[in-house]
Amino acid sequence: GQNIDQPTEMTATEGAIVQINCTYQTSGFNGLFWYQQHAGEAPTFLSYNVLDGLEEKGRFSSFLSRSKGYSYLLLKELQMKDSASYLCAGAGAGSYQLTFGKGTKLSVIP
Amino acid sequence: NAGVTQTPKFRVLKTGQSMTLLCAQDMNHEYMYWYRQDPGMGLRLIHYSVGEGTTAKGEVPDGYNVSRLKKQNFLLGLESAAPSQTSVYFCASSLINSGDQDTQYFGPGTRLTVL
Repeated sequence: GQNIDQPTEMTATEGAIVQINCTYQTSGFNGLFWYQQHAGEAPTFLSYNVLDGLEEKGRFSSFLSRSKGYSYLLLKELQMKDSASYLCAGAGAGSYQLTFGKGTKLSVIP
Repeated sequence: NAGVTQTPKFRVLKTGQSMTLLCAQDMNHEYMYWYRQDPGMGLRLIHYSVGEGTTAKGEVPDGYNVSRLKKQNFLLGLESAAPSQTSVYFCASSLINSGDQDTQYFGPGTRLTVL
């Protein structure tokens, strides 16, 4: 199957900016999702990119480069509540399945 | 709207026992999915359904069966539980399939331990 790679853990300071990267095989997916998952809770939708470029949604932005098989999630003005796992997931064209990366656990420290 | 609900929230089984996990959604979504999430493995698709009366295998279907008798419900069955099935199980639903930009909405999860 298609691999999706993202860092296992990251730490950032409250108020700062953090970028979480996600890479995948370019032939695999039609679009990229980002989900947030707090410990012990369900994943919740953050963003979806199907075209190249940056999508901004409040403090969160997501970028996609299909030719490079690369996406990132940018979190600005970090808050303690942003401490969570961030899941990158690829969606195949016409496919019913999402392929998830293993998630990046972000810890926001004071 | 309750969204996606799952019952039970927690369950402990002995090896060889059977059980059924229930997923319900009130969003009139066509597509429903069952995932398992294990430490260091990410979310993996077990089975999915593209409509009432249909089911299909995902990435890790062995040891599980599913049924979609009603559009709003998707059941996951374990006929003979094994310790390897200890996991957190998430149900999800979407209006259309994710390749067409639709979002999957997740239930709160069922934490299953098999002894």
